[in-house]
Amino acid sequence: GAGVSQTPSNKVTEKGKYVELRCDPISGHTALYWYRQSLGQGPEFLIYFQGTGAADDSGLPNDRFFAVRPEGSVSTLKIQRTERGDSAVYLCASSEGKTGGLDTQYFGPGTRLTVL
Amino acid sequence: DQQVKQNSPSLSVQEGRISILNCDYTNSMFDYFLWYKKYPAEGPTFLISISSIKDKNEDGRFTVFLNKSAKHLSLHIVPSQPGDSAVYFCAASKAYNTDKLIFGTGTRLQVFP
Repeated sequence: GAGVSQTPSNKVTEKGKYVELRCDPISGHTALYWYRQSLGQGPEFLIYFQGTGAADDSGLPNDRFFAVRPEGSVSTLKIQRTERGDSAVYLCASSEGKTGGLDTQYFGPGTRLTVL
Repeated sequence: DQQVKQNSPSLSVQEGRISILNCDYTNSMFDYFLWYKKYPAEGPTFLISISSIKDKNEDGRFTVFLNKSAKHLSLHIVPSQPGDSAVYFCAASKAYNTDKLIFGTGTRLQVFP
């Protein structure tokens, strides 16, 4: 079956521009996560959706970052006024969203964002 | 404040031998621990997990050990194969069910013939 897909795979932008990164979760998965991985680091949590609502957005670094999931499936991570420090690989993961048991997160290949 | 630490950035092991990857954590609220494997240009792939109520979980060549009192876990791969060469991330979660993962910085494992 299809896994988590992310588009684009690579994005190069200039400082100050706006970017959108898209994530298509595994069909039927209700939970969706965004992480950011900088060079030499592990993935760092940004935001988590259960259905359409953001259940935990405590990882968003500032108000330039915003994410939506309007129909409970596809999600878009939006970054305004990009800065060079935003350069990283942005990873999306999805899970069944079940309770009472391990809810394994499955990751997409990521979008490599480079801000010049 | 790094809550999950992998102090060895790299490890080199001969094919057929045992690989031992280590992970330490500081937050006693962590309840679930996972290992992910990552190849270049791919997302992390789930490998194995362990709940805080256990001290060992085994899946084929992979075994994870948890020492709660020491806040330490390890991943054993035996026998190691060249295809195991990848970056391995340790991750922890505060909840048994759906929750964010806190990752370590990773250990690059190289298995040579």
